[in-house]
Amino acid sequence: EAGVAQSPRYKIIEKRQSVAFWCNPISGHATLYWYQQILGQGPKLLIQFQNNGVVDDSQLPKDRFSAERLKGVDSTLKIQPAKLEDSAVYLCASTALPGGMNTGELFFGEGSRLTVL
Amino acid sequence: AQSVAQPEDQVNVAEGNPLTVKCTYSVSGNPYLFWYVQYPNRGLQFLLKYITGDNLVKGSYGFEAEFNKSQTSFHLKKPSALVSDSALYFCAVREDTGRRALTFGSGTRLQVQP
Repeated sequence: EAGVAQSPRYKIIEKRQSVAFWCNPISGHATLYWYQQILGQGPKLLIQFQNNGVVDDSQLPKDRFSAERLKGVDSTLKIQPAKLEDSAVYLCASTALPGGMNTGELFFGEGSRLTVL
Repeated sequence: AQSVAQPEDQVNVAEGNPLTVKCTYSVSGNPYLFWYVQYPNRGLQFLLKYITGDNLVKGSYGFEAEFNKSQTSFHLKKPSALVSDSALYFCAVREDTGRRALTFGSGTRLQVQP
């Protein structure tokens, strides 16, 4: 079974530029998450999708961050314009069960490391 | 609201000795509790979970964790540490109702010395 795929693995940009990250979850997984992991901290949820609908985006900085999962499969996270404090690893995760029935583990991709100069 | 605290930034242990990585949590209702491990430049890997039932849960690579409701703790343990266990460990929690995602702790770096 293929795991969660993320790209690019590494990205370096200047502040005020834009960047996009892509995630393809495990086939058949209904729920997809984007987490931000700043160096030395634990992952922090940015947005949770169930199929193509947003379940929770309360911690997404909507003035600069956006995410979509149009067909309920792969997802894109965009940052525009980037700030220095956006330097982090962006982790995508998925799980098979709908969010409300989710007692199982999340499957994580290897992450996309963003450096903003 | 749900939250997790991992009071130790780093735990050092000699190979062959038992190890404990501490975690306390806070939720409004009943908790679902998880431990994940992260190796350098890799994503998080699931180790074990507590949902209900026996307070001692066993997981991958010989790890186990004990759920203590009165102390709101879920400490990770292993009877005999290996050098290859050296990694970053995260505790996570979510409430047993609703559709909330996991909330993670800040992580504890485990260093096992040969």
